[in-house]
Amino acid sequence: GIQVEQSPPDLILQEGANSTLRCNFSDSVNNLQWFHQNPWGQLINLFYIPSGTKQNGRLSATTVATERYSLLYISSSQTTDSGVYFCAVNAGGTSYGKLTFGQGTILTVHP
Amino acid sequence: KAGVTQTPRYLIKTRGQQVTLSCSPISGHRSVSWYQQTPGQGLQFLFEYFSETQRNKGNFPGRFSGRQFSNSRSEMNVSTLELGDSALYLCASSLSYGTSTYEQYFGPGTRLTVT
Repeated sequence: GIQVEQSPPDLILQEGANSTLRCNFSDSVNNLQWFHQNPWGQLINLFYIPSGTKQNGRLSATTVATERYSLLYISSSQTTDSGVYFCAVNAGGTSYGKLTFGQGTILTVHP
Repeated sequence: KAGVTQTPRYLIKTRGQQVTLSCSPISGHRSVSWYQQTPGQGLQFLFEYFSETQRNKGNFPGRFSGRQFSNSRSEMNVSTLELGDSALYLCASSLSYGTSTYEQYFGPGTRLTVT
C-alpha cells in the first residue's frame, strides 16, 4: 500500500519563529489532508490539498502531486501551535474512505 | 452544522469483554470511516461504511466489526477484548461520490482502556 513519511519527527521552536513540515508519499493520491491533533486527541482539519497551494492565516500548504510531496508552513508560531501535525492521503481507486497517515511531527513552541 | 459526535468518550473494560462504540456523522455525510490510534502503531484505518455497506476494511482481526444504519450513524464493535486493544478510536465522516473520497472530518474520539 501507499507509504507516507513525515519530517522532521520533532521540532522545537521559539515563539515567533517560522517552520516547514514535510510529507512525502510513495504513490499518486486523490486526497491529501493536514491535521493538527490537540492534547485531547481531536484531529483538527487544517487543509484539504490534493494539489496546489492554500493559505489560512499564518498557515499555508503546498502539494506537488507530480513529485509526491506536500509542505505545511507555519509562520510567526505561537505556543498554541504546539501539538502533533499529521499528513494523511487517500490513494483513490478502491481505497474507499481510507486515509493513510504519516507518523506525525511533534511541534513544541516555547514562549 | 453540528460536527461528528462519538459516544462514549471514555470507556474502561476488562479483557474478554466486548464493547460497542457509536459515531454520528455530519448531516448529509454518508461515508463513515473508523481509525485506531495507539502510541506504537499510530493512526490505522479499520473500515469504511457507505449507505449501510462496508466498502473497505483495514488489516484488523475479525474481532473488530462495524455497521451503519439508514441514518448514516455507525457503530463499531470489538469482541473478546485484549490489552492491546487499548487505544483512541476515531471516526470520520465525509461526502462520497462514486470512487472519490473527499475531505474527512473527525469526531473527538473514544478512549478505550482494557484492563
